[in-house]
Amino acid sequence: KAGVTQTPRYLIKTRGQQVTLSCSPISGHRSVSWYQQTPGQGLQFLFEYFSETQRNKGNFPGRFSGRQFSNSRSEMNVSTLELGDSALYLCASSHGTDNSPLHFGNGTRLTVT
Amino acid sequence: KNEVEQSPQNLTAQEGEFITINCSYSVGISALHWLQQHPGGGIVSLFMLSSGKKKHGRLIATINIQEKHSSLHITASHPRDSAVYICAKGRAGNQFYFGTGTSLTVIP
Repeated sequence: KAGVTQTPRYLIKTRGQQVTLSCSPISGHRSVSWYQQTPGQGLQFLFEYFSETQRNKGNFPGRFSGRQFSNSRSEMNVSTLELGDSALYLCASSHGTDNSPLHFGNGTRLTVT
Repeated sequence: KNEVEQSPQNLTAQEGEFITINCSYSVGISALHWLQQHPGGGIVSLFMLSSGKKKHGRLIATINIQEKHSSLHITASHPRDSAVYICAKGRAGNQFYFGTGTSLTVIP
């Protein structure tokens, strides 16, 4: 069974640009959640999608958005990039019920210059 | 105040030592997760527990619901155990809050 796949692995963008990251979950998983990891703040929850609907959202500005497709693949978009958006972005998939274990992708490392 | 507090932040041990990492959380969990992150970023879920104790190989995780506290123990530590260990609180609705992580280095 293939694991969670995130693309691209690395990305370099300039301030003001926008970026789209992709996450393909484990087959059969309907929940995809996104996280930002920085040295200063650690792992922080961005949002979670289940069956194409956003179920939960963390405390991030509206520049961070996402969507989920009918095949459960998810994309995350960050608009008007800021230097502080430089981070490792991780997605995780699960069955989406309470207490479902999370399966993480290897992340996309975004650098904003 | 963070919903999840972890200690210690950094830990160095000699190979073979018994290691304990602690995690305290505020109210309202559906489950407590222990995660392992190796250099390069990949995260692996080690345990998910809502009561009692779980064991997998040399790793043991315990949780005390009344005291809102969980521990991760590593017996007979090995250099390949060197990683960042993160505890995470799961809440209803599949939302997670993370501790800041414990960076473990096991010296041969």
